[in-house]
Amino acid sequence: SQQGEEDPQALSIQEGENATMNCSYKTSINNLQWYRQNSGRGLVHLILIRSNEREKHSGRLRVTLDTSKKSSSLLITASRAADTASYFCATDVGRIQGAQKLVFGQGTRLTINP
Amino acid sequence: SQTIHQWPATLVQPVGSPLSLECTVEGTSNPNLYWYRQAAGRGLQLLFYSVGIGQISSEVPQNLSASRPQDRQFILSSKKLLLSDSGFYLCAWNLLADTQYFGPGTRLTVL
Repeated sequence: SQQGEEDPQALSIQEGENATMNCSYKTSINNLQWYRQNSGRGLVHLILIRSNEREKHSGRLRVTLDTSKKSSSLLITASRAADTASYFCATDVGRIQGAQKLVFGQGTRLTINP
Repeated sequence: SQTIHQWPATLVQPVGSPLSLECTVEGTSNPNLYWYRQAAGRGLQLLFYSVGIGQISSEVPQNLSASRPQDRQFILSSKKLLLSDSGFYLCAWNLLADTQYFGPGTRLTVL
């Protein structure tokens, strides 16, 4: 079954509102990361939260992690039209021969309406 | 600064034809390299990773193969494409840090 499952699959809000996306996972993790993907483009790393952290901020982004519930949330405050993109959570489940194994969720498609 | 390139950007190939996608990284040495595939509207699936020249590990058995002929070059290949090979292929790299850096991707359509 899917390691990272995101909720909702799609979210449409008005510019200026806050957007919250959730991610659940099943196995133990080293860290959880959020990436952003504009349509038809590569992924851009947004923020990383380690398994011993509960909350992290970066600009208008706030990430929380609850390892007891195996869940994380990404909050984007004061949304802008330019925030329109797909957002993916990725769980770092360990290293194999030094390479990192990231397991991605299905993503949340966020649309900010002007 | 480091940059990652992928080409071609888009590719339309007939079923049964061969495939070669290339990824190169600049500005770093001995990176870990990764190939992912993304189906339409879905998340990323790790296909292959490499920790050094000639060292390839496969995550999912399939119609594809990968090679790393040079330190900063990663190639995804197929001898005969299937319809199910269609998708968006992303290359990524990292070092010891936990963040992966992604290329712009190649959109492959198999007809």
